[in-house]
Amino acid sequence: NAGVTQTPKFRVLKTGQSMTLLCAQDMNHEYMYWYRQDPGMGLRLIHYSVGEGTTAKGEVPDGYNVSRLKKQNFLLGLESAAPSQTSVYFCASSAPGRGVGYTFGSGTRLTVV
Amino acid sequence: GQQLNQSPQSMFIQEGEDVSMNCTSSSIFNTWLWYKQEPGEGPVLLIALYKAGELTSNGRLTAQFGITRKDSFLNISASIPSDVGIYFCAGPYGGSQGNLIFGKGTKLSVKP
Repeated sequence: NAGVTQTPKFRVLKTGQSMTLLCAQDMNHEYMYWYRQDPGMGLRLIHYSVGEGTTAKGEVPDGYNVSRLKKQNFLLGLESAAPSQTSVYFCASSAPGRGVGYTFGSGTRLTVV
Repeated sequence: GQQLNQSPQSMFIQEGEDVSMNCTSSSIFNTWLWYKQEPGEGPVLLIALYKAGELTSNGRLTAQFGITRKDSFLNISASIPSDVGIYFCAGPYGGSQGNLIFGKGTKLSVKP
């Protein structure tokens, strides 16, 4: 039972480069999320999706884009990476509804130099 | 915006000791969730609380939904080294979607 799988696990980018983080879930969850985690800041929501073909902005969306072309996949893109985007990125998924617990992936550690 | 305040920020305890941590909000929450994050991993759901006053256990962990609905507490009894990690509280905020907002976490270190 894979749950939520994130690729890659680690990546180093140069400022200005672009990349896409992939999240895949096998639980048939409707909702998917991208969070970033920085020391002392907790988890902050970047973008989320409530279904295939839909996306919405979270708390810190600037500099990121997302796509949900298939229900099981949620992609996070950085068009022009900046050092401020150095962080650990977590994808999560859940069933619909308020207060439903999320299942998280194991994270992608991104460093922008 | 809404914030969840967790305390303490960090704890250094001896194996076998009991642990208490809490989470407070300026707004009422209808659900409280407690997660644990181990080094190098994503957060894992430990306990979910859905009713004011509710007390729920998961092994040595016990969480309570505060009567005011503005706070929640997590206790760990007889701590062991594998309890090490960051413990996050979370709750749904805003609109019908109710995306989770997370506290900044309590980092627990256990000395054998």
